[in-house]
Amino acid sequence: AQKVTQAQTEISVVEKEDVTLDCVYETRDTTYYLFWYKQPPSGELVFLIRRNSFDEQNEISGRYSWNFQKSTSSFNFTITASQVVDSAVYFCALSEAAGNTGKLIFGQGTTLQVKP
Amino acid sequence: DTGVSQDPRHKITKRGQNVTFRCDPISEHNRLYWYRQTLGQGPEFLTYFQNEAQLEKSRLLSDRFSAERPKGSFSTLEIQRTEQGDSAMYLCASRTGFGTEAFFGQGTRLTVV
Repeated sequence: AQKVTQAQTEISVVEKEDVTLDCVYETRDTTYYLFWYKQPPSGELVFLIRRNSFDEQNEISGRYSWNFQKSTSSFNFTITASQVVDSAVYFCALSEAAGNTGKLIFGQGTTLQVKP
Repeated sequence: DTGVSQDPRHKITKRGQNVTFRCDPISEHNRLYWYRQTLGQGPEFLTYFQNEAQLEKSRLLSDRFSAERPKGSFSTLEIQRTEQGDSAMYLCASRTGFGTEAFFGQGTRLTVV
């Protein structure tokens, strides 16, 4: 069964702190993609990153970094030196190759509040 | 092209009424998806179109829901005999291929009173 779990419902940090958002996934497929999306208060989902199941290289983009570990089925997201503008709901999502629909299975989301 | 567009942004309807939402995907995207998001939850998949063909429907999509994508361009999602449980944000997304980024619209927030 395909499933994405974001165990942290809400996280509150003070500006400039580092914060890690956890994501654990379940899939029987060997070919799949993992995504992170940001949903600010305006409601539109904003794409952050995509990773395929064959590429376990970690990635850094500015203050954002992602740690993909197939051994633990995790795809964690770290924000370094958080800023108030990072406050949003963050979703991890899984897309399997089976069926070739490309539908996204989302976790429940983690609400991040960055206080000044 | 400015992205995925959804109309209306907000809809308030009385229980039992029918509503229809529209999604205009990015023009070169052949894959189109509808999702539903309730408060405090992640989006849940409803249905998928490849061009004009509806290739998958979720069990969430009851008989009261119908979606179309005539000519493989815009899509409509209709809910008949709305119920209070249908109150949610309805999101549309489009993409070019399986592993590519999905672009989301701003959603239609439905409130059934």
